[in-house]
Parts: sequence; structure tokens; C-alpha cells
Amino acid sequence: AQTVTQSQPEMSVQEAETVTLSCTYDTSENNYYLFWYKQPPSRQMILVIRQEAYKQQNATENRFSVNFQKAAKSFSLKISDSQLGDTAMYFCAFRAVIQGAQKLVFGQGTRLTINP
Amino acid sequence: DTEVTQTPKHLVMGMTNKKSLKCEQHMGHRAMYWYKQKAKKPPELMFVYSYEKLSINESVPSRFSPECPNSSLLNLHLHALQPEDSALYLCATRPNSGHPNYGYTFGSGTRLTVV
Repeated sequence: AQTVTQSQPEMSVQEAETVTLSCTYDTSENNYYLFWYKQPPSRQMILVIRQEAYKQQNATENRFSVNFQKAAKSFSLKISDSQLGDTAMYFCAFRAVIQGAQKLVFGQGTRLTINP
Repeated sequence: DTEVTQTPKHLVMGMTNKKSLKCEQHMGHRAMYWYKQKAKKPPELMFVYSYEKLSINESVPSRFSPECPNSSLLNLHLHALQPEDSALYLCATRPNSGHPNYGYTFGSGTRLTVV
């Protein structure tokens, strides 16, 4: 089974601090995609960062970076210099291929609150 | 601005009503998805269309009927829904694998309330 686990239901940090959200996954595939999505109260799912499994270099997007450990099947998200606008639900997601069709498998999410 | 547009943003319907949700994209993507999301939960996949053909139906009740009339449009027809079907319905699209910007683009959703 292809599963995604986020072990932190909620996190809270002060503005400007650095925060790391954890994610582990289980798959027998060798090449795949991993994503972090942000869902603020406006409810739109916004792609934060993507990682292709065959790339050893960790992806970065401005203040967002990942620590991708393929052997450990771990994919954590680091947010540096956190801002109030980073307050949202964060979902880790894995691109699975099932019966020839691609679909996203989501973790349960981490609710992140940035406090002023 | 979102590149995937969903209408309506909010919908309240009775259990005997028939309504439709609409999703439109002009990104040239050939794969389109319907997800259902309950409060404080991750999205759950309902249907996948690839090149306008249904490729995945995640055992969704027949009161939900998807339709993909062309590569830009995805509909979800609703009939005889139950109150437990109240949720946020999200549409998503993606490019083909290997695309440099591979990722799923979501619409802002339709908040459905069944009364």
C-alpha cells in the first residue's frame, strides 16, 4: 500500500522562526514525485514545493526547502523566517501510479499557526 | 488568479434537487480530477479523467455522475444527495509526467451543503 504519514497534527511558532514539518511515506516505486501543498482558510490548495525522487538534490523555493531522505522514505518541509501568511494546513502528498492512472495520495495534514 | 476555475463557489441544495459543479482549465492539461474534502481532513479522490476518458472511479455512489465533455471542462452532476455529502469539492489538473513544472493545480473549490 502507498501511504503518507504526517505525525504532527498541529504546530505553532512565532513569526520569523524556522519550523520543520515532518512526512514519511511508503512505496515500492523507484521513481515518483513528492509534494507539499498549503491550504489556507481561503481553502485553495497551493503547491509549495515538489521533489522528484531520482533527483538527489533537495528542492528549494525561496523560504521553503525540503529534506528528502529516499532510503528512509522521509520528506520534511522547512519554512525559514516564517510569516503570518504561512498560517495554513500543510499536506504532504505522494504521486502514486495505480492501474496505469496517476493520483495524489495525501497525508492527514499539519495545521501550522504563525503567531505575531 | 487561479488557472483552474470552479463554479459555483457555494451551493446549497435539497436532497431531491439536481445540480452540477463545473471545472474549467485552459492549461492544456489532459488529466483532470475530482476530490472531496471534509473539514480538517485531506482531499479524497473521487474520479480521474485522462484524455476525456474516465480512468478511475473510487467506488463513488451513483448519485455523483462525472462528465468530461472536452479537454477544458469537467462537470460533476449531483442528484439525490445526502446531508453527509456536504463537503468541499475540489477540481485538479496536471500535465504529463516529465513536464518541468509537473504538479497538480487545484481550483478553489465548491462548498456544497445538502439540506
